[in-house]
Amino acid sequence: QSVLTQPPSASGTPGQRVTISCSGSSSNIGRNSVNWYQQVPGTAPKLLIYSDYNRPSGVPDRFSGSKSGTSASLAISGLQSEDEADYYCAAWDDSLNGVFGGGTRLTVL
Amino acid sequence: QVHLQESGPGLVKPSQTLSLTCTVSGASIDSGSFYWTWIRQFPGKGLEWIAYVHNNVPGFTFYNPSLKSRLNISMDTSKNQISLRLTSVSAADTAVYFCAREKLGGTTFEYWGQGTLVTVSS
Repeated sequence: QSVLTQPPSASGTPGQRVTISCSGSSSNIGRNSVNWYQQVPGTAPKLLIYSDYNRPSGVPDRFSGSKSGTSASLAISGLQSEDEADYYCAAWDDSLNGVFGGGTRLTVL
Repeated sequence: QVHLQESGPGLVKPSQTLSLTCTVSGASIDSGSFYWTWIRQFPGKGLEWIAYVHNNVPGFTFYNPSLKSRLNISMDTSKNQISLRLTSVSAADTAVYFCAREKLGGTTFEYWGQGTLVTVSS
């Protein structure tokens, strides 16, 4: 069972906006920054959002992150077929280790 | 461009020791300030942070508390490699093992290897 809680699945049609939530606690999200990863099955995760809302170079601005208290969210606007993947949130925990969410499988209908 | 490549035995018997190596190209592992990290992904897809070593602070290592007694992470700057040893493995250690470079001392993994599958079975 993962320390951070994500919905197992999400879906949307092309062009729609979808959000994926990530819930934690005061020892991780409440005190440390959140990062988001996109993983296409069979490949390594790719950094999508870092330090709550920052995008690495090359990540489209359709992807955005936010955080409030002990929860964080990833929003994808203008959904495209290539966005179909697994999405994971991650944060440092005060128990001195990294923690991940269980992942959300995004389906583009 | 920084490239990471994991290598390992593929199959390990229960109770044995798992040894993994991450070979880095495109950058020296002891340049800059980074945290070389091992992460694993279980067959059911969950990710687990295992350990990291800081590249320029001798002895600066952190281990997942649930695995700490079985783990050792180290760097070999002459080979530009990061190694992981996990002792007393069981079927629960079956996973894809990734190495990654982290820049902030947390979970900001900019670069990942492709991963290596380790199966624990007799």
